[in-house]
Amino acid sequence: EVQLVESGGGLVQPGGSLRLSCSASGFSFSSDAMHWVRQAPGKGLEYVSAISPNGGSTKYGDPVKGRFTISRDNSKNTLYLQLSRLRVGDTAVYYCVRRTGGSFGYWGQGTLVTVSS
Amino acid sequence: QSALTQPRSLSGSPGQSVTISCTGTSSDVGSYDFVSWYQQHPGKVPRLIIYDVTKRPSGVPDRFSGSKSGNTASLTISGLQADDEADYYCCSLTGSFTYVFGTGTQVTVL
Repeated sequence: EVQLVESGGGLVQPGGSLRLSCSASGFSFSSDAMHWVRQAPGKGLEYVSAISPNGGSTKYGDPVKGRFTISRDNSKNTLYLQLSRLRVGDTAVYYCVRRTGGSFGYWGQGTLVTVSS
Repeated sequence: QSALTQPRSLSGSPGQSVTISCTGTSSDVGSYDFVSWYQQHPGKVPRLIIYDVTKRPSGVPDRFSGSKSGNTASLTISGLQADDEADYYCCSLTGSFTYVFGTGTQVTVL
C-alpha cells in the first residue's frame, strides 16, 4: 500500500524558515517524480514544486520560486521542502504527492504551515 | 501561470447530470492530454477521479467522465448522488513542464 506521511509543519513568523519532510513507502520511491501541492485555508489547490526521480531536475511555481527548495534522499525514501523567507500568504496545508503518469495519483494527509506574527 | 478557470459552483438534483468546464490556454490544456480531475470532500484529501483527459482510475464509477475540446476540458457527473457533493479541481501540464490547477468548483446535490 502506498503511504506518504508529511511532517514538519507548524507556526512560524513571517520571514522565517521551515523544513517539511515526506516519508514514502509501498512503492519504488527512487523511480518516481514527486511533488508538493498546497491549499490555503478555504482556498483551492496550488502547485508548489516538483523533483525528478534522481533529484537532478526541479520545478517551482511562480509564487515560491527563489524561496522554496525541493530535495529528496532516495536512500531514506524521503522528500523534503525547505521553506524560506516565509510570508503570511504561504499559510496552507502542504501535501506530498506522487505523480503517476501525468496525474497526481497518491496524496499524503498534509501538514499545516501557519505563518503569523 | 494563471489558474485554469472553472465555474465557482454548480448544483443538480439526484439523478441529474452536471458538467464542469475547465478553461485554460494553448500553453496548457490546449497542448497536452495530461488533464486530470480531483474530487475533494470537506476536510479530506483530494482524490484522483479522471486522468489523461478521459481515463478513470480503478474504483471510480463510470458516472464520472472527462473530455476536452481545444483549450477547455470538461468533467461530467451523470446520475448525481448525494456523495458527489464536493469540490472538484481540474489540473493540466503546462508548457514549462509544471502543473496548474483550476480554481475549483463546488458541486451541490439539491
